[in-house]
Amino acid sequence: KAGVTQTPRYLIKTRGQQVTLSCSPISGHRSVSWYQQTPGQGLQFLFEYFSETQRNKGNFPGRFSGRQFSNSRSEMNVSTLELGDSALYLCASSLGQGPLYEQYFGPGTRLTVT
Amino acid sequence: DAKTTQPTSMDCAEGRAANLPCNHSTISGNEYVYWYRQIHSQGPQYIIHGLKNNETNEMASLIITEDRKSSTLILPHATLRDTAVYYCIVRALHYTGNQFYFGTGTSLTVIP
Repeated sequence: KAGVTQTPRYLIKTRGQQVTLSCSPISGHRSVSWYQQTPGQGLQFLFEYFSETQRNKGNFPGRFSGRQFSNSRSEMNVSTLELGDSALYLCASSLGQGPLYEQYFGPGTRLTVT
Repeated sequence: DAKTTQPTSMDCAEGRAANLPCNHSTISGNEYVYWYRQIHSQGPQYIIHGLKNNETNEMASLIITEDRKSSTLILPHATLRDTAVYYCIVRALHYTGNQFYFGTGTSLTVIP
C-alpha cells in the first residue's frame, strides 16, 4: 500500500511569512506525528495527532501549530517564519498509539527561509 | 525514557556483518528498545524493536543483553545501501503517545 506522502517536497519562504505543510498518512493509520530536523538540533518532536485531537506536544513555540482532519490527513502551520525554521519537516503515521506501534515516516518537506 | 549512548560513527566492509552497539544502562523493565535508520535526506525507517528477548526480522537482528543495559543491532551482510545514520531509542510501555526522542545516532558507512 502507499506510504506516507508529504507535500510540498521543497519550499522557499521569506522571513515573516507563514507556511502550511501537508501529510497524508498510510491508509488506516490514525496517528500522525510531526518532527523537525536540523543539522544542529537533530530530529525533534513537534506534536502528535490522533483522532483529530492533539495528544502530545514538543517544546516548540506557539508559532508551530497543526491539525488533523477526519480522514487522518494532517497539516502543520508555521507562522511568522524565522531563519531558524529552515529545516526538514517529517511526518510519521502509525496505526495506533503506544510503543507497540511502528511509525512510518514520509520523505519530508525541505523548508528554506530566506 | 531512558537515555541511550551510541558511537558517533562506524565503518563496515561490504558483505560483512555490521554490529552497532547501544548503551541504555538506566533502562527500566517496561521499556522497549527500538532501532530506526535514516538514509541521507530521507525519512527515518523502522528496523526492529524488542523488550528482552533477541529479535530477528528480514532486515536485522537485535541482541539485548541479559541485564538489558545494552543492545546490538546486527546487519548480517551489509551492502552499500545500508549506509545511513542508525538511531537506538528506548520507549516505555506505558507511553500513550507516539513521540520518539532521537539522539545523535551512529553514522554507519559501508565501504566497498
